[in-house]
Amino acid sequence: DAKTTQPPSMDCAEGRAANLPCNHSTISGNEYVYWYRQIHSQGPQYIIHGLKNNETNEMASLIITEDRKSSTLILPHATLRDTAVYYCIVRVALGNQGGKLIFGQGTELSVKP
Amino acid sequence: KAGVTQTPRYLIKTRGQQVTLSCSPISGHRSVSWYQQTPGQGLQFLFEYFSETQRNKGNFPGRFSGRQFSNSRSEMNVSTLELGDSALYLCASSFRSGHRTSTDTQYFGPGTRLTVL
Repeated sequence: DAKTTQPPSMDCAEGRAANLPCNHSTISGNEYVYWYRQIHSQGPQYIIHGLKNNETNEMASLIITEDRKSSTLILPHATLRDTAVYYCIVRVALGNQGGKLIFGQGTELSVKP
Repeated sequence: KAGVTQTPRYLIKTRGQQVTLSCSPISGHRSVSWYQQTPGQGLQFLFEYFSETQRNKGNFPGRFSGRQFSNSRSEMNVSTLELGDSALYLCASSFRSGHRTSTDTQYFGPGTRLTVL
């Protein structure tokens, strides 16, 4: 089962910041928080990941609470093309443990004009 | 750098047939993972291949199998197709450095849409 909880849907006005929350209260110390998004019927697109520090890249910012039990993905200026399902995933640092992403239901973000 | 490619993009088969899907990872990536996405079950992990060996396996019947070649390209096979196998099959590749603290991000291909009639 997925170790994260996300709201099923959210709306955001075009040009405004979209703040997508994720709860991961059982996260372990060696687990990272990953965010992907999936635009209808396409493959999931990697957005960003972090361990305990806030992270920013050209797509988004990731804010992780100090206790690491929740995080927020921020799209600073949402556009219509950001309409997608956003998945928050926790996973252990790989080492030799292999790759296995456990997806939950995600948040369906609708950016409206 | 080219992304993950999957062929074919669309496929229609009938019950009882078998199907082979192909995945070419990002150049330099050594691990390939496969996922199935259906409206009812969402995205589910099938298996992962690294160095031509299956490293992880999800909870799917033995009709689902895969392999990886020496150039890291991978194929998955589904035998005796059932209507419920209709899905989007996604392949993801990662570098898989092997370092203990490596996060080894997975990058997904566009998927193969399989329809079983």
